[in-house]
Amino acid sequence: DVKVTQSSRYLVKRTGEKVFLECVQDMDHENMFWYRQDPGLGLRLIYFSYDVKMKEKGDIPEGYSVSREKKERFSLILESASTNQTSMYLCASSSHARVGTEAFFGQGTRLTVV
Amino acid sequence: QKEVEQDPGPLSVPEGAIVSLNCTYSNSAFQYFMWYRQYSRKGPELLMYTYSSGNKEDGRFTAQVDKSSKYISLFIRDSQPSDSATYLCAMSGDSNYQLIWGAGTKLIIKP
Repeated sequence: DVKVTQSSRYLVKRTGEKVFLECVQDMDHENMFWYRQDPGLGLRLIYFSYDVKMKEKGDIPEGYSVSREKKERFSLILESASTNQTSMYLCASSSHARVGTEAFFGQGTRLTVV
Repeated sequence: QKEVEQDPGPLSVPEGAIVSLNCTYSNSAFQYFMWYRQYSRKGPELLMYTYSSGNKEDGRFTAQVDKSSKYISLFIRDSQPSDSATYLCAMSGDSNYQLIWGAGTKLIIKP
């Protein structure tokens, strides 16, 4: 059974804190993605990575950074958390094997910044 | 205008009804079309996957793609309360690995 695992289901952080969200996949996928999901706005891509140590900005990268030191792990970093970063964060992975391939998601991390 | 448009709903129907969920898109390069289902407080999971035009059936679910109209549909027959979820459409072209997402339609099946 394929698996994408996010380190936390629920997280509460204070404004200004540095926040790390971790994601691990066991499918040997090349591509990994971080999205945030807000009511009425759907899934918005923050960053993605198509290889180790490679990263590309998505649609809303401001206030975020990422790290991919190993193929199976993709971390999202909130440099200085703000209340407008309260959201559901979803990690996903997909294979290079063919374009247009489906993405597999983790269970999500609901982050609240107070 | 968004590349992919999807009515957010909610769409509320009685148990046993046929449900029709739809997305329209503007990019004629899209070739891969997917429907994901997302239960409350969970990540999305792939439900149906279609390449190019045509229909695909899987049990009570049928996915249709009409590339001439840039319109895709998901039909659910004999809907059950367990089908209550948010349904997201996603699509991509031949030359990229990113999926372009609709906003999701919240579906409620009333017992």
